[in-house]
Amino acid sequence: EIVLTQSPGTLSLSPGERATLSCRASQSVSSSYLAWYQQKPGQAPRLLIYGASSRATGIPDRFSGSGSGTDFTLTISRLEPEDFAVYYCQQYGSSRFTFGPGTKVDIK
Amino acid sequence: EVQLAESGGGLVQPGGSLRLSCAASGFTFSSYSMNWVRQAPGKGLEWVSYISSSSTTMYYADSVKGQFTISRDNAKNSLYLQMNSLRAEDTAVYYCARWIAAQNAFDIWGQGTMVTVSS
Repeated sequence: EIVLTQSPGTLSLSPGERATLSCRASQSVSSSYLAWYQQKPGQAPRLLIYGASSRATGIPDRFSGSGSGTDFTLTISRLEPEDFAVYYCQQYGSSRFTFGPGTKVDIK
Repeated sequence: EVQLAESGGGLVQPGGSLRLSCAASGFTFSSYSMNWVRQAPGKGLEWVSYISSSSTTMYYADSVKGQFTISRDNAKNSLYLQMNSLRAEDTAVYYCARWIAAQNAFDIWGQGTMVTVSS
């Protein structure tokens, strides 16, 4: 089973700053099956990025995804107040779906 | 509007059973694979189970295999999760989520239903 590790666990930044979130897989993941989600307290997760780098419908272009193999990155170019949340990466492979433990982006 | 709405959660004693439902609207339910994902209080997301559009294929997380059963009724636009022999560690918010094959991602999520296993 592929294990996803996310770092850092918490990222403390100010609005307007750039956020770089990492997702590392225990073995190679097809980029086609790597997605990122945002979750705010009391809400369901929301799809941000699919296929490692494609933005989902309605997602602002300040969100971007990159990476391949075992290393993937979610970048938020300039943090808006509504971007402070928990972010999860997720992969599918071998009839299994797995999520990373999440990175919390909070206000510094 | 595309929506998923879970129901059926509640308080159940250890060893008990519960059946969750997820009502879909605003899209052709029978064309999509569906999933259950859970989140224990204060914890991250854990995928639970998958069912293909025509119910021919089901997958389960190792943590629930043999304990939970996923099913669907396309005529009723509904997804189900039968949960048996419940344990404290099954306490979580349970979300249903649509899998969109064109994007290989969970693109629509319900609001979740809380299951609490406690005596």
